[in-house]
Amino acid sequence: GNSVTQMEGPVTLSEEAFLTINCTYTATGYPSLFWYVQYPGEGLQLLLKATKADDKGSNKGFEATYRKETTSFHLEKGSVQVSDSAVYFCALSGTSGTYKYIFGTGTRLKVLS
Amino acid sequence: ETGVTQTPRHLVMGMTNKKSLKCEQHLGHNAMYWYKQSAKKPLELMFVYSLEERVENNSVPSRFSPECPNSSHLFLHLHTLQPEDSALYLCASSQDSRGLAGREQFFGPGTRLTVL
Repeated sequence: GNSVTQMEGPVTLSEEAFLTINCTYTATGYPSLFWYVQYPGEGLQLLLKATKADDKGSNKGFEATYRKETTSFHLEKGSVQVSDSAVYFCALSGTSGTYKYIFGTGTRLKVLS
Repeated sequence: ETGVTQTPRHLVMGMTNKKSLKCEQHLGHNAMYWYKQSAKKPLELMFVYSLEERVENNSVPSRFSPECPNSSHLFLHLHTLQPEDSALYLCASSQDSRGLAGREQFFGPGTRLTVL
């Protein structure tokens, strides 16, 4: 079945470090791919998305490229800030004509000053 | 109000109580969802409504009872809960239930439920 796998956390980085959070997926058809972020005490909010192969989603300095050949959608940021500390979820949707939004397990990021 | 709102934000209840969680979306969406988020566990989809009709029910215990009276409102009725039901309950909405064409879900802030 369809699934999303993302790297285990927590990830701890110093401020201004480079961030990569890996996400791979298994899906039939051509899903849309998303990264959501959840700050403490809040719900999930969309960070970026891509709807077709080779699309790059970007927002707030974060980027992810839809790689169909490697079924990946890795999240990257060149220089993290303390305010980026949150839980990040990779997700997919819109496969095979049936309902499904599928989320990864989430990766907690902690950025130290 | 904009987006997706949830009330109450925090709820403490005993195992014999009956309470309800409320969700309202102001986005004109056709699909609404309940999720359970527990510490150290993946996000669990509980219920999906599309055009006010339940289209998914992921083997949720009957002590959780959803209600969707119209496309803007979603309730989760709770009765005789267990301590392991303590979690963050998130409501979400989307344009359609299949997430086609990159249509994302919009989440509310959640209700933090504690069952004593």
